[in-house]
Amino acid sequence: EAQVTQNPRYLITVTGKKLTVTCSQNMNHEYMSWYRQDPGLGLRQIYYSMNVEVTDKGDVPEGYKVSRKEKRNFPLILESPSPNQTSLYFCASSRKTDRGRPSGANVLTFGAGSRLTVL
Amino acid sequence: TQLLEQSPQFLSIQEGENLTVYCNSSSVFSSLQWYRQEPGEGPVLLVTVVTGGEVKKLKRLTFQFGDARKDSSLHITAAQPGDTGLYLCAGERSWGKLQFGAGTQVVVTP
Repeated sequence: EAQVTQNPRYLITVTGKKLTVTCSQNMNHEYMSWYRQDPGLGLRQIYYSMNVEVTDKGDVPEGYKVSRKEKRNFPLILESPSPNQTSLYFCASSRKTDRGRPSGANVLTFGAGSRLTVL
Repeated sequence: TQLLEQSPQFLSIQEGENLTVYCNSSSVFSSLQWYRQEPGEGPVLLVTVVTGGEVKKLKRLTFQFGDARKDSSLHITAAQPGDTGLYLCAGERSWGKLQFGAGTQVVVTP
């Protein structure tokens, strides 16, 4: 089954304790992205990656790191989590067309989400 | 600052009624997508609109992209309880950067 898998689904941690949320897709997608979802704010993009070893900042990158060493994996790293990073996190992926971008749109397949609480 | 404004934020209707959700922006988007999200799950794509003035139908759902590609609407005819969910619009500013609205929570009661 084609899917985006995130782990953990739920995590409660304390301020300053480094954590990693993993994301893996089995669709051979070039593009991957991380979002956080907060009430009243919708989904905000944290980081995205066009391909292996190519990453770029989204709208809210502060406090986060990412890496893309393999095509299928795109982990989100919180080096020193703070309470304002308590949120619901989503990983998503999409493919590129032969022309280098999807015909008309960047169509995303989302993971099921990871709910993170930082105390 | 929310570049994409969705309205209303919340909508509760009876089964069989019609509803419209709006997505507005001052920015032009190369494409606009609508997603539906259910509790405990990630958003799932409903439709993508690309051309100004474009209208797409998906069973009882009708999606329209404004002529200037700055706004969109989602209309549901004869809503059913299965239509309950959080509806999100997302505008593509450039390849790789999607801007999401805050969402419209729709509740359809039997």
